[in-house]
Amino acid sequence: EPEVTQTPSHQVTQMGQEVILRCVPISNHLYFYWYRQILGQKVEFLVSFYNNEISEKSEIFDDQFSVERPDGSNFTLKIRSTKLEDSAMYFCASRGGQMNTEAFFGQGTRLTVV
Amino acid sequence: GQQLNQSPQSMFIQEGEDVSMNCTSSSIFNTWLWYKQEPGEGPVLLIALYKAGELTSNGRLTAQFGITRKDSFLNISASIPSDVGIYFCAGQRNDMRFGAGTRLTVKP
Repeated sequence: EPEVTQTPSHQVTQMGQEVILRCVPISNHLYFYWYRQILGQKVEFLVSFYNNEISEKSEIFDDQFSVERPDGSNFTLKIRSTKLEDSAMYFCASRGGQMNTEAFFGQGTRLTVV
Repeated sequence: GQQLNQSPQSMFIQEGEDVSMNCTSSSIFNTWLWYKQEPGEGPVLLIALYKAGELTSNGRLTAQFGITRKDSFLNISASIPSDVGIYFCAGQRNDMRFGAGTRLTVKP
């Protein structure tokens, strides 16, 4: 069964460093998302991406964040100059092109900023 | 904004009991979804609802898409210990927004 895969599963980084979180969405999907979940809290929308551009972003997704689809398979989230409060699980999700299709999530990357 | 209000925040129930949780929003959504998340895992889709008024079942789970398109509920009948987890509602228009989750604990 096709699935969304994320790497790495866990990343520890020093405050101020840049990190890139990687996702491989399901191959025929067209809409891609990043969400964040701080431990024990709700899943928060960061950004949606369609047709090689950002379609919507939340107030969390400031200039520190960027997304890219560098090739036909990967979808990356870059966090520049990480802060302690960036520590969270980051989930990638993808869905197909029709309106009535559900999103499927990866297993997440646990980012720890020290 | 597309805020979703999910309740209750947590539930502690005895095995065999039925469970009900719901989500409301001031925004209209085209799709309502219910996900379950277990520790260390990503959310897993349980039920997707596509039409206002739709009532859908998946085993012991039943969910409904409210007539106004601004709310949805999820029922779990005859709960078992493996139902433990956090249940999230999600409303979808172009992107998808989540409720804060209902943490379910089932005592054997």
